[in-house]
Amino acid sequence: GAVVSQHPSRVICKSGTSVKIECRSLDFQATTMFWYRQFPKQSLMLMATSNEGSKATYEQGVEKDKFLINHASLTLSTLTVTSAHPEDSSFYICSARTALLASYEQYFGPGTRLTVT
Amino acid sequence: AQTVTQSQPEMSVQEAETVTLSCTYDTSESDYYLFWYKQPPSRQMILVIRQEAYKQQNATENRFSVNFQKAAKSFSLKISDSQLGDAAMYFCAYQSTPDYYQLIWGAGTKLIIKP
Repeated sequence: GAVVSQHPSRVICKSGTSVKIECRSLDFQATTMFWYRQFPKQSLMLMATSNEGSKATYEQGVEKDKFLINHASLTLSTLTVTSAHPEDSSFYICSARTALLASYEQYFGPGTRLTVT
Repeated sequence: AQTVTQSQPEMSVQEAETVTLSCTYDTSESDYYLFWYKQPPSRQMILVIRQEAYKQQNATENRFSVNFQKAAKSFSLKISDSQLGDAAMYFCAYQSTPDYYQLIWGAGTKLIIKP
């Protein structure tokens, strides 16, 4: 089946620093990747959608200068949280879809827990 | 805009019994997909079942089945013979067409399995 990985699974960083989270599709070409944020006991909140080779489309209220998304290849997207603050602490999930497989389905990564101290 | 509502924040069921999780949605579209996802304590999202709106037949996957009522805009999930491994958050999600790929999520229902 289609597998999506995320790295790191957990990261702790100091306030003011930047942290990068990688999302990789391991056995398929991800034409579109999605980045979600999930607070404890809440649903997934879509942050942005990225198509390979194009600029990401951010949801309303998401600071594009703070959450930098790059989808440079068909297997890799990165989310960089710049100048992180404690309120950025959250669980970040990526998902991917491809036109080559069942077009309706998104395949989810295992998530990254970010803690900003 | 489409919305998805899960009115049960938490449900509990005795092991081996049957439980039904509710989901309603609002849309003006006629062609769409509906999904149930499971998120266990590991936080990995797992697709449980999907339903295409144009299909009248309710989808089933082993112990999981749905009751899709298009006119009522209702999409409930029935879990039969509940097992301890079914304990998780369950999210209902809507997707308008295969080309419009954004998922609209419900708030989730926490399912507790009592041994």
